[in-house]
Amino acid sequence: DTGVSQNPRHKITKRGQNVTFRCDPISEHNRLYWYRQTLGQGPEFLTYFQNEAQLEKSRLLSDRFSAERPKGSFSTLEIQRTEQGDSAMYLCASSRTGANVLTFGAGSRLTVL
Amino acid sequence: AQRVTQPEKLLSVFKGAPVELKCNYSYSGSPELFWYVQYSRQRLQLLLRHISRESIKGFTADLNKGETSFHLKKPFAQEEDSAMYYCALFYNQGGKLIFGQGTELSVKP
Repeated sequence: DTGVSQNPRHKITKRGQNVTFRCDPISEHNRLYWYRQTLGQGPEFLTYFQNEAQLEKSRLLSDRFSAERPKGSFSTLEIQRTEQGDSAMYLCASSRTGANVLTFGAGSRLTVL
Repeated sequence: AQRVTQPEKLLSVFKGAPVELKCNYSYSGSPELFWYVQYSRQRLQLLLRHISRESIKGFTADLNKGETSFHLKKPFAQEEDSAMYYCALFYNQGGKLIFGQGTELSVKP
């Protein structure tokens, strides 16, 4: 097990395009989290899953953002009609329920031109 | 509302000097607090959690419920301690970790 894996590591896109990020958590972890981090800020919570159920979504997650975890394993985060303000590092993390210690991936950096 | 505040964006010290990175929190429940660290070009990783009450890499942090603080301390800073440090609160009702804005620690030779 190599930890939490995120792909792609860096995505450059033009405004208005759709992008999708993938996260593969640690296999025995049933919770999966998405965070967003911009320069000079701490990670901001976006959403999390317990198995395949999406339990909470932040108000930061506009209608253009959607996350799925269809089989309770990997997750995808899709951003539709990207805007320059979406440029950020998107972090994925996973944990066991009740463990409360999150293990983070290396992140996917989005640059919207 | 749940909130974590790290008042210093940058803390610069010389090698061998004591270090204290401040963290204050706002939470009506029983807090579970963490310090995460991000070294240059590495991923965010757990440094320590308050319930463990252990020292990691010479760092300690004590939860002070009266002052709602969880400051990170090290008596003698090393150059390899230079990194971004994030204080975080686990919000049980929401099942999520809430982060502060982070403090960059720079240890000069």
